[in-house]
Amino acid sequence: QKEVEQNSGPLSVPEGAIASLNCTYSDRVSQSFFWYRQYSGKSPELIMSIYSNGDKEDGRFTAQLNKASQYVSLLIRDSQPSDSATYLCAVAGTALIFGKGTTLSVSS
Amino acid sequence: GAVVSQHPSRVICKSGTSVKIECRSLDFQATTMFWYRQFPKQSLMLMATSNEGSKATYEQGVEKDKFLINHASLTLSTLTVTSAHPEDSSFYICSARGRRGGYNEQFFGPGTRLTVL
Repeated sequence: QKEVEQNSGPLSVPEGAIASLNCTYSDRVSQSFFWYRQYSGKSPELIMSIYSNGDKEDGRFTAQLNKASQYVSLLIRDSQPSDSATYLCAVAGTALIFGKGTTLSVSS
Repeated sequence: GAVVSQHPSRVICKSGTSVKIECRSLDFQATTMFWYRQFPKQSLMLMATSNEGSKATYEQGVEKDKFLINHASLTLSTLTVTSAHPEDSSFYICSARGRRGGYNEQFFGPGTRLTVL
């Protein structure tokens, strides 16, 4: 059974801080990894994809992948209240396998 | 990001009726489409996977005769909830996967909130 694990949170950070979200996966041969953001009552929105070991930066977001440790993370710099949402880690297989999500709360 | 539309966004129906939900990929060809269901405060649950022109593959525990999926083209998939009952009330989200920039990426529609009275 392929699994994706995330800490459900809530993770609370003050405005302007760095939020760090972590994810581990069980299938060693996985190649594609994604972070989605889901606001309450809305569908998930793709914010980052990463395929190679190392860091990938896009604006305030940085995804980090370590295939040896089977670990993916998402850093959000200069966190804003509008970043408050549930962040879903997903690993590509026949279909995306989602973690249960980490709820992030950014206080102003 | 790529655009996936879903219609209707919200539907309220009486118990026993059937409801059809449409999902379209607007700016790319979706080789595969997925249907998810999400209950309040729970994670996404994959219901079925469909490839254009093929029968859908249903996840364990999902009744294929109740949730009819048709993937008629590379841009359109439909989910029909037949003889809906209150326990089918949920947030149904379609997702389309296609190739962009050399990689397969998966995008979600805005979802359909179904309430069965």
